[in-house]
Amino acid sequence: GAVVSQHPSRVICKSGTSVKIECRSLDFQATTMFWYRQFPKQSLMLMATSNEGSKATYEQGVEKDKFLINHASLTLSTLTVTSAHPEDSSFYICSALKAGGLTTDTQYFGPGTRLTVL
Amino acid sequence: KQEVTQIPAALSVPEGENLVLNCSFTDSAIYNLQWFRQDPGKGLTSLLLIQSSQREQTSGRLNASLDKSSGRSTLYIAASQPGDSATYLCAVRRGRSNTGKLIFGQGTTLQVKP
Repeated sequence: GAVVSQHPSRVICKSGTSVKIECRSLDFQATTMFWYRQFPKQSLMLMATSNEGSKATYEQGVEKDKFLINHASLTLSTLTVTSAHPEDSSFYICSALKAGGLTTDTQYFGPGTRLTVL
Repeated sequence: KQEVTQIPAALSVPEGENLVLNCSFTDSAIYNLQWFRQDPGKGLTSLLLIQSSQREQTSGRLNASLDKSSGRSTLYIAASQPGDSATYLCAVRRGRSNTGKLIFGQGTTLQVKP
């Protein structure tokens, strides 16, 4: 099956600093990647959809200047949390869409990144 | 607005029991429905995907059903094992293609006791 990796798996930072999270599709090219956030005991909430070579589409209520997304290649998307605050502490999960045709595109999920902002 | 609800939120059963997890959604205009497993602190593993035209899918001890008109899906786990302990998430895909947004339920946390 297809593999999606995330780095780092866990990060602790001080309030006010910026943190970059990488999402890579290891064995396939992904023109579309998704970023989700999951708070404890809650479900995944889509933050944004990123398409290679174009600007990301953010969901309502997600600040695009705070959560910078770059999808510079077909195998890499990055999420940068700028000026992080304790309320940004969460589990961030990326997902990559593997093209297979109209009915067989499959979305694969990364293992997640635990961000703790002190 | 599509909302996905999973009942129960948590479930504890002895090993060997058959069990059913429930998922309901408010808008029947879905492209497909997917069941995922999430282990603590980990990402998601896809278990079963049911296209909107299908009624059920089976994989090993897992069987998922879909009744689109009533907005319901169930995940049946036969002969549960301690290794099945995890959170199970139901998600529906909106729209008319496989690139539509996935809307997740809040999950059912399952504990199977040896």
